[in-house]
Amino acid sequence: DTAVSQTPKYLVTQMGNDKSIKCEQNLGHDTMYWYKQDSKKFLKIMFSYNNKELIINETVPNRFSPKSPDKAHLNLHINSLELGDSAVYFCASSLSDRESYTFGSGTRLTVV
Amino acid sequence: DAKTTQPPSMDCAEGRAANLPCNHSTISGNEYVYWYRQIHSQGPQYIIHGLKNNETNEMASLIITEDRKSSTLILPHATLRDTAVYYCIVRSRYNYGQNFVFGPGTRLSVLP
Repeated sequence: DTAVSQTPKYLVTQMGNDKSIKCEQNLGHDTMYWYKQDSKKFLKIMFSYNNKELIINETVPNRFSPKSPDKAHLNLHINSLELGDSAVYFCASSLSDRESYTFGSGTRLTVV
Repeated sequence: DAKTTQPPSMDCAEGRAANLPCNHSTISGNEYVYWYRQIHSQGPQYIIHGLKNNETNEMASLIITEDRKSSTLILPHATLRDTAVYYCIVRSRYNYGQNFVFGPGTRLSVLP
């Protein structure tokens, strides 16, 4: 059973489209995150979210928005996709914001 | 920004101990040292963390110097599956919204 699962694993789309990446965790964790890993392989936090607070990295464009229908899910919506959005996106979760993170296997987004 | 310094790459012979160093000379008293690794095309995986005492688990050992300005992650019997990028991260034990900040890490290649 996958602890943190992301779908789809691969996503190829055209510029200007709107797309979503889904993330689900079955660990009973309270906090979830989205990270972006670009072509240079640097992992950067985009969002962290629990049922009380959404913390947004100030460098993330407002075309990106997290949606959490419940504690086990944190989906990533991206509007008006740009070439520079091409990257691998990782979802993660933790028991609380003080604990270590469990990461999903990533979604490779390619914008053409 | 990452507050640690690691060598960009290291090699290790299969079956030997892999010793991965990390400098964190500006670490404060309330910050833990965490280690994660990222195997190719997978999400980061938590390995171990410590405050000032040496720690050991089923994956690795963490040796922290007495002044806490550096540490070493030890994989006692490296296998080919340990080939990965290893990240050393310092983070406050009190968190207060501080996420894991990943630097470039050390690319460990375990050679047959």
